[in-house]
Amino acid sequence: IAGITQAPTSQILAAGRRMTLRCTQDMRHNAMYWYRQDLGLGLRLIHYSNTAGTTGKGEVPDGYSVSRANTDDFPLTLASAVPSQTSVYFCASRAAKNTGELFFGEGSRLTVL
Amino acid sequence: AQTVTQSQPEMSVQEAETVTLSCTYDTSENNYYLFWYKQPPSRQMILVIRQEAYKQQNATENRFSVNFQKAAKSFSLKISDSQLGDTAMYFCAFMKQRGLVDMRFGAGTRLTVKP
Repeated sequence: IAGITQAPTSQILAAGRRMTLRCTQDMRHNAMYWYRQDLGLGLRLIHYSNTAGTTGKGEVPDGYSVSRANTDDFPLTLASAVPSQTSVYFCASRAAKNTGELFFGEGSRLTVL
Repeated sequence: AQTVTQSQPEMSVQEAETVTLSCTYDTSENNYYLFWYKQPPSRQMILVIRQEAYKQQNATENRFSVNFQKAAKSFSLKISDSQLGDTAMYFCAFMKQRGLVDMRFGAGTRLTVKP
């Protein structure tokens, strides 16, 4: 089934550790996004990429980095995790010519202790 | 910056009844898109309905319809004949047409459909 695959589904991590959340899409969408979801705050954009080789900062980029080496993959890295990064992380993509709709992965629940 | 406000953290409705979820937004853009996403307990984000700001006609998808008031910057979702499967978190979202970069979300409304 075509779509977005995120891994891991859930992870508990010690503070200070490095963590990479993986995201792969098979829809050949140009644009990809990482959001975090927190209770009472909705979803907030961390980083985005309009096309392979380019990335940009969203609303809450501090403590996170991304790369976009090819169209399909868009990993999110926490260089040194802190408890405030405990959240559910969603990867999303958008086709080049559509009316803005985002397609989402199933999310990765990350707990930083 | 664009902001999206959902003033109802939680709502409930009896099965087969109609419920309306509220959403307001703030923007200086003239061309944009508005969305309602549903997030059931499975955590998957599912697009419910989409509205283009340049269209005056309100969008409709089966039991779901919107009341789009551009001047008032209001975008409410009406669910008719509510079903148990409609129980979910509902997010209102905004994306400006220029650049199509940042989709902004409201805080969400948790809807419970009671049998």
